[in-house]
Amino acid sequence: DSGVTQTPKHLITATGQRVTLRCSPRSGDLSVYWYQQSLDQGLQFLIQYYNGEERAKGNILERFSAQQFPDLHSELNLSSLELGDSALYFCASSVRDSSYNEQFFGPGTRLTVL
Amino acid sequence: AQSVSQHNHHVILSEAASLELGCNYSYGGTVNLFWYVQYPGQHLQLLLKYFSGDPLVKGIKGFEAEFIKSKFSFNLRKPSVQWSDTAEYFCAVTSDSSASKIIFGSGTRLSIRP
Repeated sequence: DSGVTQTPKHLITATGQRVTLRCSPRSGDLSVYWYQQSLDQGLQFLIQYYNGEERAKGNILERFSAQQFPDLHSELNLSSLELGDSALYFCASSVRDSSYNEQFFGPGTRLTVL
Repeated sequence: AQSVSQHNHHVILSEAASLELGCNYSYGGTVNLFWYVQYPGQHLQLLLKYFSGDPLVKGIKGFEAEFIKSKFSFNLRKPSVQWSDTAEYFCAVTSDSSASKIIFGSGTRLSIRP
């Protein structure tokens, strides 16, 4: 157990819908990262927040957005869902915003878009 | 742009065989290198990491990796694999100039025949 929690574990929804994925970082970690893992794209970095502020953006679509709240938990919002958005979404956390920091990964949310 | 290449997509070995998984990165500056492992149905976990110093890094579960700067490589090795090593292995890199962004390779699936 990494100490990072994600809910829900599984999510099944229809095209065009909107969902919210939630992540709670390890106690004391200020940085939260979101990743998408799919069979064809591999593990893709989406976005990072540090202490409530957006710090880095990766291959995140405009239909997707995220935020980090004062209690440091984070939510990833996916809207106008398409079949291709079906994937495993991981959240990770680290102590600070540094290239030296190990990231601790949560168990992931498996999203299926029908 | 930074990139990480893992040339072996799927490796199949028998128990007790020696393992070497290739990882090459493209970045001219100072990098930090990681190997993560994802066991079936589980989240990513850190195996080992290299920041500086001795280029031969020892990690958990008998794994080691060697950083060869001239070859831009960070190959993962284990002298004798076990069935429990069946997993997907990801090489990743961060750089000091892009602290937040971690770039993952496409992963290598390792299957061990009992």
